[in-house]
Amino acid sequence: LAKTTQPISMDSYEGQEVNITCSHNNIATNDYITWYQQFPSQGPRFIIQGYKTKVTNEVASLFIPADRKSSTLSLPRVSLSDTAVYYCLVGEYNNDMRFGAGTRLTVKP
Amino acid sequence: GAGVSQTPSNKVTEKGKYVELRCDPISGHTALYWYRQSLGQGPEFLIYFQGTGAADDSGLPNDRFFAVRPEGSVSTLKIQRTERGDSAVYLCASSSGLFTDTQYFGPGTRLTVL
Repeated sequence: LAKTTQPISMDSYEGQEVNITCSHNNIATNDYITWYQQFPSQGPRFIIQGYKTKVTNEVASLFIPADRKSSTLSLPRVSLSDTAVYYCLVGEYNNDMRFGAGTRLTVKP
Repeated sequence: GAGVSQTPSNKVTEKGKYVELRCDPISGHTALYWYRQSLGQGPEFLIYFQGTGAADDSGLPNDRFFAVRPEGSVSTLKIQRTERGDSAVYLCASSSGLFTDTQYFGPGTRLTVL
């Protein structure tokens, strides 16, 4: 199972772009990279998933370098409602993926 | 239903008692997952069902924990002889069953063992 490392916490201000980087040095060839968001008292919610290069959806972008040993979740112009815990997961199957402690993002006014 | 539902939302029990936690997945989802989340930690994988069978139960901490999904939809997580260390939020998720497709999580059941 690929292990991931993320910063424990990050602070930002409304309107800024936030980049959260996740390290996964032992990622396997068939592994995907998936990010989830979790608000207090709720279950995690899928944000974005990618295999290589760049993926963008209406919520975020995911940048994956060629060696795939890290990935960066980019949240454009964050608002107070983006305050949450963000988890990076790596695996070929959902049951291979393991949640770490995540990155606690705090957006300030 | 529109999403994954879990009942009860809160459960308080005494040490040594038996509890059952229920998960109702999204209709048509063949894969179902149980996780346990302690305060300040990420969800910890417990068990994964594909259809009616437990395809991966490697995360169950010991034989006091058991889960079933007899008809391939609703699942029940059963905990025998509860201990104070079992106190946590128990999360259920479902997905369409394909590799790394999106997991949709329920709101969780908060279990407190006194």
